[in-house]
Order: sequence, then structure tokens, then C-alpha cells
Amino acid sequence: AQSVAQPEDQVNVAEGNPLTVKCTYSVSGNPYLFWYVQYPNRGLQFLLKYITGDNLVKGSYGFEAEFNKSQTSFHLKKPSALVSDSALYFCAVRFRGFKTIFGAGTRLFVKA
Amino acid sequence: NAGVTQTPKFRILKIGQSMTLQCTQDMNHNYMYWYRQDPGMGLKLIYYSVGAGITDKGEVPNGYNVSRSTTEDFPLRLELAAPSQTSVYFCASSYSEGDHNEQFFGPGTRLTVL
Repeated sequence: AQSVAQPEDQVNVAEGNPLTVKCTYSVSGNPYLFWYVQYPNRGLQFLLKYITGDNLVKGSYGFEAEFNKSQTSFHLKKPSALVSDSALYFCAVRFRGFKTIFGAGTRLFVKA
Repeated sequence: NAGVTQTPKFRILKIGQSMTLQCTQDMNHNYMYWYRQDPGMGLKLIYYSVGAGITDKGEVPNGYNVSRSTTEDFPLRLELAAPSQTSVYFCASSYSEGDHNEQFFGPGTRLTVL
């Protein structure tokens, strides 16, 4: 079955420290991979995506993600976390036209 | 551009009542989607549309209906509200060309069915 897993419900990190939010997927073929962020009482906002090419993708607000085909992972990273990065992060996989599967979300809490 | 707009922001329904959630986008996107977001469950696709006059079911379509008479508008109809439909509903849109296009989301409608 096609699936997207975000193994951590919550990630806690101190401001200024690097952060990683994990995502693994199980989808046949070569899917497109996305990260979205959701702030309280708001819709999801696009952060970055992997289509093809360089395995390290850079996106908005200093975020980047590393695609690993052998491990079927697409972890979100940032070298130095900010308190304002605290939000809910969703990994998404798009395949077979326009069907998209979203992970359950990981809440990031950055402590000052 | 306003992007994707949704109305209302909040609504409380009684069991058996009906309502329409409105969604409008001004980006001339052909693809539009309705999702529901339940706590800890991510987003589930209810219905989608690839253009005016064309709609299809997603993962969880039961209890809902949609129409797409124009490119801009994609309303979601709940005919007989049930407590299981208590959720946050998001409308989204994307460019029509290519599977790699990201989706643009509206601010959501928080619906409670009592």
C-alpha cells in the first residue's frame, strides 16, 4: 500500500540548533516529494519539493531537504532553528497524476 | 492575488442539517481539491476537479458532493451532517501542467456537527 510516514509526532529543539524532521515513504515508481508547513489556524504553505536531480533541495525560510532513494526518505532540515519555525510540518508524496498522500504531520517546537 | 479563499471560517451544524463550504481561487488553476484534516491523521482527499465540469471522488467522498461550474469556484456540499464530519476542511488548487506542481491551500473551515 502507498504510504507516507512521519515517525515523530513532535520534535523539540533549542533555538540556534540544527533541526531534522523525518519522512519516509512507500510508493511505487518515482514520486514527487513535498514539504508543507502549517501555522496555527492557517492553511498549509508550500516549503520545498524534490522532482529530480540534486538530492539536496533548498526551499523557503532557510529550510532544505535531503532525498535518499535507497532509504526512501525525504528528511527536512535547517542548520539553525528559530522560535518562529515552531509549527506543524507535513511531508507529501505525489504520484499517478495528481493524487497526493500526506503524512500525519510532525509538530516542531523550538525553545528560546 | 487573494489566492485561495474559503467561507465560512467556522460553522456549527446540528445533525441532519445541510451546508455548502465555499472555495474560490484567483490563480486560474485548473486543478482544485477538497481535504479534511482530523487530528493526528494528516489530510484526506474528499473530492477533486481537473477543470470546469469535471469532478471525481477522492479517498473519503461519502456524505459529500461537489460541483465545478467555473474555473474559480469549487463548492463542497454536506447534505445530512453527521458528527463524523466534524473536522477542518481545506480547499486547495494547483497548476494543471505536470505532477510536480505544489498545491496552494485556503485558510480552512472549522466545522462542528453536534
